[in-house]
Amino acid sequence: GQSLEQPSEVTAVEGAIVQINCTYQTSGFYGLSWYQQHDGGAPTFLSYNALDGLEETGRFSSFLSRSDSYGYLLLQELQMKDSASYFCAVKLRGNTPLVFGKGTRLSVIA
Amino acid sequence: SAVISQKPSRDICQRGTSLTIQCQVDSQVTMMFWYRQQPGQSLTLIATANQGSEATYESGFVIDKFPISRPNLTFSTLTVSNMSPEDSSIYLCSVEQGSRYRNNEQFFGPGTRLTVL
Repeated sequence: GQSLEQPSEVTAVEGAIVQINCTYQTSGFYGLSWYQQHDGGAPTFLSYNALDGLEETGRFSSFLSRSDSYGYLLLQELQMKDSASYFCAVKLRGNTPLVFGKGTRLSVIA
Repeated sequence: SAVISQKPSRDICQRGTSLTIQCQVDSQVTMMFWYRQQPGQSLTLIATANQGSEATYESGFVIDKFPISRPNLTFSTLTVSNMSPEDSSIYLCSVEQGSRYRNNEQFFGPGTRLTVL
């Protein structure tokens, strides 16, 4: 089976930087995605890593180490609107849907 | 990017009844997925719906309880049958669409919030 581990909750101060880690155990790993979900909303795509290294998109960056089965999402210059749940999700080989982690609830405080 | 709509957006249903949720995509997609998200929980895949074939169900989900239709490449329905309060959840439709910017990105509909009394 597939398993993903990420912290259940993280609290950070507005303007700061926060890193949300994700470790995974899968067979047929293809890539790691990150999704953001605000309360009452649908998950929205943030980033995708298929290769080792850092991908940067504005204030958000995502990192992947395939050899360590590990990735993280880095959020910089935190804003109150970043308070949400963040899910890492594994893409497996073949026409398969994403497998989601349990999610990390980020609270940004003033 | 794919635009997905779902109907109804929310419903309150009585125990023992059934509800059919519709998912419409603005472009043709090969695979559509149905997820369930219970309050405060992660997304759990119910089934994969392919046009022209039977849906493929994940462990713990069966066709009698969650029948799925996929009549064409832009539409699917999920029925929650003989509902109980444990079925109270958000049901999400999702499609996969690749682009030259984002490989195999999965898009989600707005979800259907179901409450079973």
